[in-house]
Amino acid sequence: GAVVSQHPSWVICKSGTSVKIECRSLDFQATTMFWYRQFPKQSLMLMATSNEGSKATYEQGVEKDKFLINHASLTLSTLTVTSAHPEDSSFYICSAAALGDEDEQYFGPGTRLTVT
Amino acid sequence: AQSVTQLDSQVPVFEEAPVELRCNYSSSVSVYLFWYVQYPNQGLQLLLKYLSGSTLVKGINGFEAEFNKSQTSFHLRKPSVHISDTAEYFCAVSSNDYKLSFGAGTTVTVRA
Repeated sequence: GAVVSQHPSWVICKSGTSVKIECRSLDFQATTMFWYRQFPKQSLMLMATSNEGSKATYEQGVEKDKFLINHASLTLSTLTVTSAHPEDSSFYICSAAALGDEDEQYFGPGTRLTVT
Repeated sequence: AQSVTQLDSQVPVFEEAPVELRCNYSSSVSVYLFWYVQYPNQGLQLLLKYLSGSTLVKGINGFEAEFNKSQTSFHLRKPSVHISDTAEYFCAVSSNDYKLSFGAGTTVTVRA
């Protein structure tokens, strides 16, 4: 149980375009989802926390207008990278926590974004 | 605020040898502690976690970790590694807001 999927697994886009990444909890309801960014050979950096039906909370230094997060249902959160630039190229990983079990996050397999 | 320090960035080890990955944390409140493993181009998989209770925690794949509050440490150990244990290992800490703070990671390379 506790499977989290991400789609797409990798994406290449041109500079200036927008890209949407989906994060789904497949077999549980996720009251809270987290979005992380990971640069090559580095650790994960928390970008934002989203709760179903409310606005996401962004970490300091993360541009909320650039990284749009929507958590419209208990099983789906989306991250849209708007007007992407090469410096946005990274590995984006989501995680989900279930109601009543928030101390453990279940991670998706990640999405590799390359902006050309 | 909390932070995590993984003292070893790379750990080469021979197959069937023991391995220890060191993790120290700092926090002003009670914490939950985690170890995750990441295989190339994949997400994170939970190895084990400490929430409360026994300070010795056993996880998957033969890994275990010991919480030492006085030394603010949560070192990960495995008595005998396999080639398949080659991966990146992350120590993480969270508190009652459930936000995870990760260490920089330790690359474990197991050689035959």
